[in-house]
Amino acid sequence: GAGVSQSPRYKVAKRGQDVALRCDPISGHVSLFWYQQALGQGPEFLTYFQNEAQLDKSGLPSDRFFAERPEGSVSTLKIQRTQQEDSAVYLCASSDHSSYNEQFFGPGTRLTVL
Amino acid sequence: DAKTTQPNSMESNEEEPVHLPCNHSTISGTDYIHWYRQLPSQGPEYVIHGLTSNVNNRMASLAIAEDRKSSTLILHRATLRDAAVYYCILRDVNNAGNMLTFGGGTRLMVKP
Repeated sequence: GAGVSQSPRYKVAKRGQDVALRCDPISGHVSLFWYQQALGQGPEFLTYFQNEAQLDKSGLPSDRFFAERPEGSVSTLKIQRTQQEDSAVYLCASSDHSSYNEQFFGPGTRLTVL
Repeated sequence: DAKTTQPNSMESNEEEPVHLPCNHSTISGTDYIHWYRQLPSQGPEYVIHGLTSNVNNRMASLAIAEDRKSSTLILHRATLRDAAVYYCILRDVNNAGNMLTFGGGTRLMVKP
C-alpha cells in the first residue's frame, strides 16, 4: 500500500514568507508526528497528534510554528514569517496506536529560507 | 527517554558483516531498544527492536547485553544499499505513541 507522502518535496522561501507543508499519513494510522532535521543532525520532535487531537506540541520552536490535523488524517505544518534558522528537512511520520510499533516516515520536505 | 551513545561513523567492506554498537547505561526496565536507519535523502525507516532477548528479522539481528546497558545491531552481509545513518533509540513501553528521540547516530560507509 501507499506509504507516507509529503508535499512539496522542496520549498524555497524568502525570509518573512509563510509556508505550509503537507503530510498524508498511511490510511488508518491514528498517530502522526512532525520532526525537524537540521543538516548533519538527527531528527528532532516537533509535535504529535492522536487522530485530530494535538496531544504534544512541546517541540515547536516558537509560536511561528503551527500544526493541524482537522479530520484526523492529513496534517499541515505551517511556519509564519520564516527565518533562516527554519531551513531544515521537515519529516512526517505515522503509526498505529501500539506502544512500541514502528513509525513510518515520509521522504520529508526540504525547506530553504533565503 | 534515556540517552544512547553511538560512534559517529564506521566503515565496512561490501559483503562483510557489520557490528554497530550502542551504549545505553541508564536504560530502564520498561525501555525497548529500537534501531532505525536513514538512507540518503530519505526519511528514517524501522530496522528492528527488542527488550531483553536477541532478535532476528530479514534486515538485521539485534544482540542485547545481559545487563541491557549495551546492544549491537548486526548486518550479516553489508551491501552498498546499507550505507546510511543508523540510530539506536530507547522507547518507554508505558508511553504509548510517544515520539522517537534521535541522537546523532552512526554513519555507516560501505566500500565496494
